[in-house]
Amino acid sequence: DGGITQSPKYLFRKEGQNVTLSCEQNLNHDAMYWYRQDPGQGLRLIYYSQIVNDFQKGDIAEGYSVSREKKESFPLTVTSAQKNPTAFYLCASRIRGLNTEAFFGQGTRLTVV
Amino acid sequence: GQSLEQPSEVTAVEGAIVQINCTYQTSGFYGLSWYQQHDGGAPTFLSYNGLDGLEETGRFSSFLSRSDSYGYLLLQELQMKDSASYFCAVGSSTDKLIFGTGTRLQVFP
Repeated sequence: DGGITQSPKYLFRKEGQNVTLSCEQNLNHDAMYWYRQDPGQGLRLIYYSQIVNDFQKGDIAEGYSVSREKKESFPLTVTSAQKNPTAFYLCASRIRGLNTEAFFGQGTRLTVV
Repeated sequence: GQSLEQPSEVTAVEGAIVQINCTYQTSGFYGLSWYQQHDGGAPTFLSYNGLDGLEETGRFSSFLSRSDSYGYLLLQELQMKDSASYFCAVGSSTDKLIFGTGTRLQVFP
């Protein structure tokens, strides 16, 4: 079955450590996205990628980094520079274009202690 | 920049009709879409409006007025399972996809 997979579902890290969240899709989508969601809040765009080896900053990119070496994969690294990393992280993908549906993974809940 | 504003919460009873509004400010508008998210889950696509007017999909309808930078999602014959958060979103020519602040809908029996 085609879909988008995020792992792990829950992640605990100590303050000051970098952590990488995985996002893999087998939908053959060119565009991929990372969003952050805080309790009771909307989805804020961190980074997005239109094509392999290219990505763009979203509205809250500071303290995060990404790579897009393969079409299927778009990992997100939460660095120690991110002041408040505890949040729910969602990855999405879609066909490039104006009215295409975005498909989301089930999310990773990151807790920094 | 881009911003989308929605009411934070709406409540209604089963069987009722509810409207969730979305006003947007964007540099280059490329359609308004709507997503539903249940607590702890992933957002799922509901509808898209590229042109002015009403789009109907079963119990859900979505409306767009580009001249007013405004749209809404209309949910009819509300069911308990419709209790969720609803987000509007706008795309762009660079494939950037921005979501609104979200509206939490609570349906009561």
